[in-house]
Amino acid sequence: IAGITQAPTSQILAAGRRMTLRCTQDMRHNAMYWYRQDLGLGLRLIHYSNTAGTTGKGEVPDGYSVSRANTDDFPLTLASAVPSQTSVYFCASSESEGRIGTGELFFGEGSRLTVL
Amino acid sequence: GQQVMQIPQYQHVQEGEDFTTYCNSSTTLSNIQWYKQRPGGHPVFLIQLVKSGEVKKQKRLTFQFGEAKKNSSLHITATQTTDVGTYFCAGRRAGSYQLTFGKGTKLSVIP
Repeated sequence: IAGITQAPTSQILAAGRRMTLRCTQDMRHNAMYWYRQDLGLGLRLIHYSNTAGTTGKGEVPDGYSVSRANTDDFPLTLASAVPSQTSVYFCASSESEGRIGTGELFFGEGSRLTVL
Repeated sequence: GQQVMQIPQYQHVQEGEDFTTYCNSSTTLSNIQWYKQRPGGHPVFLIQLVKSGEVKKQKRLTFQFGEAKKNSSLHITATQTTDVGTYFCAGRRAGSYQLTFGKGTKLSVIP
């Protein structure tokens, strides 16, 4: 089934450890995004990429990095995890025209991360 | 930066009652999208509004985009238990790549 795959589904991590959340899509979408979802705060954009080879910072980028080596993959890395990064992380993708995305976002199932 | 406010944060309704959630942006939007997230699930796209004053319907759901393209609403007629979930609006400014989400309205339907 076409869509977005995230891994891991759930992870408990000690503070200070490095963690990479994986995201792969098979829809050949140009644009990809990482959001975090926290109770009462909705979905906040961490980083985005409008095409392979380019990335941009969203609303809450500090403590996170991304790469976009190819169209399908968009991993999110926490270099040194802190408890405030405990959250549910959603990867998403969309079609785009030029620099501006015009289509709907397709979300993965999410990765629940707990940092102790 | 751009802010998207959504109210109410929570809404409890009796099955069969109507429900409305409102979304307001601090800036003019090029388009607005609505998503539904079931408990434990991921957001799923419902609709996109692009034109000033646009109204779209999906069965019992009615979506409106304000004339100034700064506000939007989602109205559900005669709620059912299957409508339970959190509804998010998400707006995009003209010339911007980012989609800014409201904090969502969590709908509970009492059978």
